[in-house]
Amino acid sequence: AQTIHQWPVAEIKAVGSPLSLGCTIKGKSSPNLYWYWQATGGTLQQLFYSITVGQVESVVQLNLSASRPKDDQFILSTEKLLLSHSGFYLCAWKVGDNQAPLFGEGTRLSVL
Amino acid sequence: GQQVQQSPASLVLQEGENAELQCNFSTSLNSMQWFYQRPEGSLVSLFYNPSGTKQSGRLTSTTVIKERRSSLHISSSQITDSGTYLCAMGGSNAKLTFGKGTKLSVKS
Repeated sequence: AQTIHQWPVAEIKAVGSPLSLGCTIKGKSSPNLYWYWQATGGTLQQLFYSITVGQVESVVQLNLSASRPKDDQFILSTEKLLLSHSGFYLCAWKVGDNQAPLFGEGTRLSVL
Repeated sequence: GQQVQQSPASLVLQEGENAELQCNFSTSLNSMQWFYQRPEGSLVSLFYNPSGTKQSGRLTSTTVIKERRSSLHISSSQITDSGTYLCAMGGSNAKLTFGKGTKLSVKS
């Protein structure tokens, strides 16, 4: 079975501290992977997408970066968190050309 | 840029009533998708519907490309249907542009 797992489930971090969020896909080789972000009460926005290892495209600039170190892994990170980074982060992978993406359970981030 | 407008922003129904959620998009699209967002934030895919009508149980999605709109019809609403419904427009480079959502509350 194909599964998508995000970690951690939730984080409380201080402004200026580093962040690393992870996403792992099981059961699918060479998946197209995506990071989304939603501010509290806001609209879901696509941040990054990756179609292969080592290749990441940025969609929205939020002082965040993403990396694809392995075929089944997608990492979202920053060296210095801002208050505006608070929100809900979702990882997704595209199941097929004419199908909706499958989303992970998400990570809720609070920056204080 | 691409814009997606959803209406209404919120909706309150009595259990058993029907609901019609609307989504209007500003540019040509590659796909139109509907999602249900649970209160804790996770998403459930409801429909991938770039054109025409699709039905799944009590849910029906209709997309009319030339009118740049899509709708989600919920029949015989149940309390468990409560939550936020999101539509998303697919564009180039697999980018999804989401609407702000319709928050549905179904009461007994």
